[in-house]
Amino acid sequence: KAGVTQTPRYLIKTRGQQVTLSCSPISGHRSVSWYQQTPGQGLQFLFEYFSETQRNKGNFPGRFSGRQFSNSRSEMNVSTLELGDSALYLCASSSTTSGGWHEQYFGPGTRLTVT
Amino acid sequence: QQQVKQSPQSLIVQKGGISIINCAYENTAFDYFPWYQQFPGKGPALLIAIRPDVSEKKEGRFTISFNKSAKQFSLHIMDSQPGDSATYFCAARKDQGGKLIFGQGTELSVKP
Repeated sequence: KAGVTQTPRYLIKTRGQQVTLSCSPISGHRSVSWYQQTPGQGLQFLFEYFSETQRNKGNFPGRFSGRQFSNSRSEMNVSTLELGDSALYLCASSSTTSGGWHEQYFGPGTRLTVT
Repeated sequence: QQQVKQSPQSLIVQKGGISIINCAYENTAFDYFPWYQQFPGKGPALLIAIRPDVSEKKEGRFTISFNKSAKQFSLHIMDSQPGDSATYFCAARKDQGGKLIFGQGTELSVKP
């Protein structure tokens, strides 16, 4: 099976702009979670989508939003970019099979640089 | 109560030695504890995971030891190799939702 794919891999944006990142989960996985990774704060949970609905949300401002499509692909959007939004944005997908451990498998990430 | 504390921050081990990384948690509702390995420029890769109903789980050279009463768990890498040099993250989750709480990471360097 192909792994989690994320596009684009690298992105440079200017403060105040907005950005959209895309994630395609492993085939058959219906849950997609997003994380932000920075040297200072480490790996922090942004939100999780399952069946096109946000199921969990982390402690990030409303500038961070996401959505999931009927094919389980997900996008996250960051509006009014700030310098502090520079980070590696990771997407993880998991199976939701009843009785399973729902392991999360990460994609390679999108490296966002805000200047 | 949502924190997972990981130590040490960095670790240097000789080839063939045992690498040990420790994590502690506070929330007793956590019921799933995975370890991830991350190489520079890559996403975290799931190494091994455990649930609180067992005290140890072994997969190849990687072992998780779990102490429910102490609310601690650790990763042991036996016969450490230079190729194991990476950053390791412990994590915890409650229920089956996607929210993993990560430790701060341990940068492991295995010297030849």
